Amino acid sequence: GAGVSQSPSNKVTEKGKDVELRCDPISGHTALYWYRQSLGQGLEFLIYFQGNSAPDKSGLPSDRFSAERTGGSVSTLTIQRTQQEDSAVYLCASSPLLWSADETQYFGPGTRLLVL
Amino acid sequence: DAKTTQPPSMDCAEGRAANLPCNHSTISGNEYVYWYRQIHSQGPQYIIHGLKNNETNEMASLIITEDRKSSTLILPHATLRDTAVYYCIVTYGQNFVFGPGTRLSVLP
Repeated sequence: GAGVSQSPSNKVTEKGKDVELRCDPISGHTALYWYRQSLGQGLEFLIYFQGNSAPDKSGLPSDRFSAERTGGSVSTLTIQRTQQEDSAVYLCASSPLLWSADETQYFGPGTRLLVL
Repeated sequence: DAKTTQPPSMDCAEGRAANLPCNHSTISGNEYVYWYRQIHSQGPQYIIHGLKNNETNEMASLIITEDRKSSTLILPHATLRDTAVYYCIVTYGQNFVFGPGTRLSVLP
């Protein structure tokens, strides 16, 4: 079956522009996660969804970041008024259930964002 | 903050076993040990996970000490394609915190 897919795979934008990143989780997976990985750094957790709701948005770096999920499937991460420090790889993961101790997250290939 | 400690880098000869250690001395009784790896420019790839017992799958073996304060990931016959950063994560539920991991270099 298909894994987690993300689009676009690469995005170059100018400072101040808005960008939308898309994640298609594995079919049937209830939980969806967004992470960010800056160059040479570890993964930084941003937000998770259980179904369509995101109970905890405290991991988002600033109010320029928002995320939504519709139909319990596709999710979009939106960055408004992009800054150069937003340049990173944005990774999405999904798992069958949330807050089950024995669940594995499956990651997509990521979207590489470069803000000029 | 990550609850685990891993060496920053390791080398392994191709065809030999790669043994990657992880210390997690503050692990709670209901927390699992997960291992992921990240090959350059790719998303993290799940390898294996366990709670108390040793686990084995087609990719690797996971050895967890009896007191659960440390574990070792074993790649039985490392290949050049196993060169990656390996992350050890201790978690209950899905609160994954990725530390810096161990950069494994498999040498020909």
